[in-house]
Amino acid sequence: GQQLNQSPQSMFIQEGEDVSMNCTSSSIFNTWLWYKQDPGEGPVLLIALYKAGELTSNGRLTAQFGITRKDSFLNISASIPSDVGIYFCAGQLNTNAGKSTFGDGTTLTVKP
Amino acid sequence: NAGVMQNPRHLVRRRGQEARLRCSPMKGHSHVYWYRQLPEEGLKFMVYLQKENIIDESGMPKERFSAEFPKEGPSILRIQQVVRGDSAAYFCASSPLGTDVRPLHFGNGTRLTVT
Repeated sequence: GQQLNQSPQSMFIQEGEDVSMNCTSSSIFNTWLWYKQDPGEGPVLLIALYKAGELTSNGRLTAQFGITRKDSFLNISASIPSDVGIYFCAGQLNTNAGKSTFGDGTTLTVKP
Repeated sequence: NAGVMQNPRHLVRRRGQEARLRCSPMKGHSHVYWYRQLPEEGLKFMVYLQKENIIDESGMPKERFSAEFPKEGPSILRIQQVVRGDSAAYFCASSPLGTDVRPLHFGNGTRLTVT
């Protein structure tokens, strides 16, 4: 089946620093999604990308859909303590949109 | 996460017992998806249901696991004769259409602990 490799596995940064994380896949996806999960809660959608090459921002977050359709990255600028959490990428094929494939997550720790 | 309701939030079962997890989709949504999350891993697709139909159960273990989404009432994920390896967080998501390419919005999950 399809697999997503998400890196880095964890990050420890100082408040105010920028963060970058990425996902790569062995096969093509038509949609890339980025979620954040806080302890004890479900994943919350941050950004959705629908076209190869698309660059989308949501506040301090920016994500891009790779040209090859096999990768995506998420950047967080000027990190703040509430950015702490686990960030997941997920890929979808339009033929079965609900059947998303998730990466194993990047755990972000922000030191004040 | 607003709208997709899961209960219970926490469930403790002894080995061999049955676990029933419930999911009420967002109002107007007729498609439900169940995912499982093991500690320090991402979510893994289990099953996709429409009202009274199982559309895709390719992620469901072959034994002991079943799911339903009746015409009335919530979707139920049922795990019979639970084992310690079933301990995980189980998340539900819903959408209005099966071919909807919009991303899924998840509930807050049921955390199953098997002792």
